[in-house]
Amino acid sequence: GAGVSQSPSNKVTEKGKDVELRCDPISGHTALYWYRQSLGQGLEFLIYFQGNSAPDKSGLPSDRFSAERTGGSVSTLTIQRTQQEDSAVYLCASSSSGNTIYFGEGSWLTVV
Amino acid sequence: GESVGLHLPTLSVQEGDNSIINCAYSNSASDYFIWYKQESGKGPQFIIDIRSNMDKRQGQRVTVLLNKTVKHLSLQIAATQPGDSAVYFCAEGEDNTDKLIFGTGTRLQVFP
Repeated sequence: GAGVSQSPSNKVTEKGKDVELRCDPISGHTALYWYRQSLGQGLEFLIYFQGNSAPDKSGLPSDRFSAERTGGSVSTLTIQRTQQEDSAVYLCASSSSGNTIYFGEGSWLTVV
Repeated sequence: GESVGLHLPTLSVQEGDNSIINCAYSNSASDYFIWYKQESGKGPQFIIDIRSNMDKRQGQRVTVLLNKTVKHLSLQIAATQPGDSAVYFCAEGEDNTDKLIFGTGTRLQVFP
């Protein structure tokens, strides 16, 4: 597609369950980012992939969070044993290195 | 740690007036700054960016000013329209990391 695509757009899950969020970056973009945005807050950096380099995982809040990027394209963010404080919008973005970062519409996660 | 923050959480302006949204940053090593616009329920949308070696850049109805002496960034919107109503984020980045750090955001409300 023309833009960054994320799925699901909305997810309601029970506390303790695992969730997977998917991101399809813009074709040809080598860099992929995950950010988290809590209600009324700014964007919190989670993880960054660049080509075949080791990802920058410095923003992941706990070991319940992990992400992978297969084949240098699609990425999956996994949250294990979800907690209520994980409720947020999870935003994926991509860019050609050094250029503008383009965001998807986000995956809205609600943990009940 | 480094941070990017905003002076005003909410700005209300009358349609047709000019808007000025301010941002303070603390990382003197930032190589570039970006303004994003986020409408309700959507991902952030790129507005304009500026390199650290510039002090002004103009786009369509928008101007970004950078004052490195006081580490201050502003976004000026001319002839503000109802469609400009959104949350505006400033973000800073370094060329060697490709990682954007976002501020909390300012909500712009445009009334007739």
